Amino acid sequence: DAGVIQSPRHEVTEMGQEVTLRCKPISGHNSLFWYRQTMMRGLELLIYFNNNVPIDDSGMPEDRFSAKMPNASFSTLKIQPSEPRDSAVYFCASQVSDGNQPQHFGDGTRLSIL
Amino acid sequence: GDSVTQMEGPVTLSEEAFLTINCTYTATGYPSLFWYVQYPGEGLQLLLKATKADDKGSNKGFEATYRKETTSFHLEKGSVQVSDSAVYFCALSGPDTGRRALTFGSGTRLQVQP
Repeated sequence: DAGVIQSPRHEVTEMGQEVTLRCKPISGHNSLFWYRQTMMRGLELLIYFNNNVPIDDSGMPEDRFSAKMPNASFSTLKIQPSEPRDSAVYFCASQVSDGNQPQHFGDGTRLSIL
Repeated sequence: GDSVTQMEGPVTLSEEAFLTINCTYTATGYPSLFWYVQYPGEGLQLLLKATKADDKGSNKGFEATYRKETTSFHLEKGSVQVSDSAVYFCALSGPDTGRRALTFGSGTRLQVQP
């Protein structure tokens, strides 16, 4: 079991640039989550997919953020244009389609917007 | 909406001391409850879970019991080790598809001194 794989692990870029974060869920998991972790707000959900369909995107901050899941093995989170306040650690997690089962997290992408 | 409240940290203990980290929750229905642990620079790892009232989750010497009457899920360990130093998150998720995302507490940092 390879676990949830996120890339890149670290990203440093200047404000105004486009940022793309990537996630490969565990094979056979059909729910995928993007979370953001900051000192001020802790861990918060950005968006959640079930069977590649967005179910809850109420946590997406604004139109600068977008997420896609074109197939069961890949998802992207894009920020365009990026701003310094987007600096955070972004986690992807996957889960089998059963709310009683735990979510498995990737190691995260540490994003710094200068 | 759903919410999780954890005791503030950091918690500093000597090795072999007893650990309690308090967690209470507010949710409709019967959520599943989880404790996750985060080591520096890493993602979140599931520590234990409980899916119904009076269930006890346990792993690596840690335990927590799902108490519906007090809406609590306190984490305990009888004898902590230096290697237990990490941040601990209490979390819940709903059973239905629309509430599958985790709602996290703010996290409690545990520091164990030799």
